[in-house]
Amino acid sequence: QKEVEQNSGPLSVPEGAIASLNCTYSDRVSQSFFWYRQYSGKSPELIMSIYSNGDKEDGRFTAQLNKASQYVSLLIRDSQPSDSATYLCAVNGGNAGNMLTFGGGTRLMVKP
Amino acid sequence: NAGVMQNPRHLVRRRGQEARLRCSPMKGHSHVYWYRQLPEEGLKFMVYLQKENIIDESGMPKERFSAEFPKEGPSILRIQQVVRGDSAAYFCASSPWGGTEAFFGQGTRLTVV
Repeated sequence: QKEVEQNSGPLSVPEGAIASLNCTYSDRVSQSFFWYRQYSGKSPELIMSIYSNGDKEDGRFTAQLNKASQYVSLLIRDSQPSDSATYLCAVNGGNAGNMLTFGGGTRLMVKP
Repeated sequence: NAGVMQNPRHLVRRRGQEARLRCSPMKGHSHVYWYRQLPEEGLKFMVYLQKENIIDESGMPKERFSAEFPKEGPSILRIQQVVRGDSAAYFCASSPWGGTEAFFGQGTRLTVV
């Protein structure tokens, strides 16, 4: 059984700061990693995917993957109030096949 | 290219009735995942399907719940004899093949009265 763990938060950061969101997973052979953003009352929206060790940047977002330590993180630079949402880490592949497993999410609050 | 389409968006059922939730994946996607989300809680995996096959249903309650993804038409999540505890948002996601990016529909909000 795959497990994906996230701190539920809330994580509060001031506007313009860097928000750092972390996620750990238990299945060492997991292969695909995703970050979703979910606004209250809305459906999850894919914002980043990462498949290999290292960093992947897309605009203000950077995903970081460390398979040896089994963690994946999401950095949001120049945080805006509109970034306030719940961020979900998802893991796929590995011993449980292609089932997409989600962490519980971290609630981010960006204060103006 | 239309996104993942779920219908209905809102569904109200009386206790004991049946609920049918539909999910049409994105064009070219043959993998569908169903999740349930209670208010202020995370996404709970229910079932993972490919066309005409259930790949993993480890998150599905043993009774009253069933899912299918036929060769033609949408994926269906069926809940028989609904109870108030079934009230939740049900989301489906689709991907072109396993292990790749999955995209979510807008969800169906089920309310059991």
